[in-house]
Amino acid sequence: AQSVTQLGSHVSVSEGALVLLRCNYSSSVPPYLFWYVQYPNQGLQLLLKYTSAATLVKGINGFEAEFKKSETSFHLTKPSAHMSDAAEYFCAVSRPGYSTLTFGKGTMLLVSP
Amino acid sequence: SQTIHQWPATLVQPVGSPLSLECTVEGTSNPNLYWYRQAAGRGLQLLFYSIGIGQISSEVPQNLSASRPQDRQFILSSKKLLLSDSGFYLCAWSVDTSGNTMYFGEGSWLTVV
Repeated sequence: AQSVTQLGSHVSVSEGALVLLRCNYSSSVPPYLFWYVQYPNQGLQLLLKYTSAATLVKGINGFEAEFKKSETSFHLTKPSAHMSDAAEYFCAVSRPGYSTLTFGKGTMLLVSP
Repeated sequence: SQTIHQWPATLVQPVGSPLSLECTVEGTSNPNLYWYRQAAGRGLQLLFYSIGIGQISSEVPQNLSASRPQDRQFILSSKKLLLSDSGFYLCAWSVDTSGNTMYFGEGSWLTVV
């Protein structure tokens, strides 16, 4: 079985500060990993995904994530937060041969001026 | 381009009443289709997924059912709603290949009173 753990249900940063959202996974096989963003009352939008190519993945809106097998992690980062980054972020995992995703519980990113 | 439509966006239903949420996808053929439920602080829970017309897999036994009467149509139903059915319901689609992006609809807010 696969699972995802997102550390911290809420993360607060100041505008311009580094954003770090943590995600650790558990999988019996090499996983595919995803980060999605959800703005209030909307569906989810893909930020980036790792599918066994380069371990450092760049996504939209300046976000990136690094797959670290030894740490079973896929943390999401952005060098400088913008007010528009305030949203809920979900890490998700799937395994080769399966299209369903297992999501973490989400981390709400709060950005203050 | 592909689009996904989900309706109604919001509904308030009394306990014991029926439910029908509809989702349609345009611009692609034979997509995988999914219903997720999102509850505060609990992330996204996969309810049903379908790899083809009439083929439904249930992930969690509960008071809901799903049907796929047409290739790009996915319906979530209940005969008698419970208070615990309240939540944000998301429809999604993907192509039938693991590691591919899952695309989400805008969601439907269901409040059971």
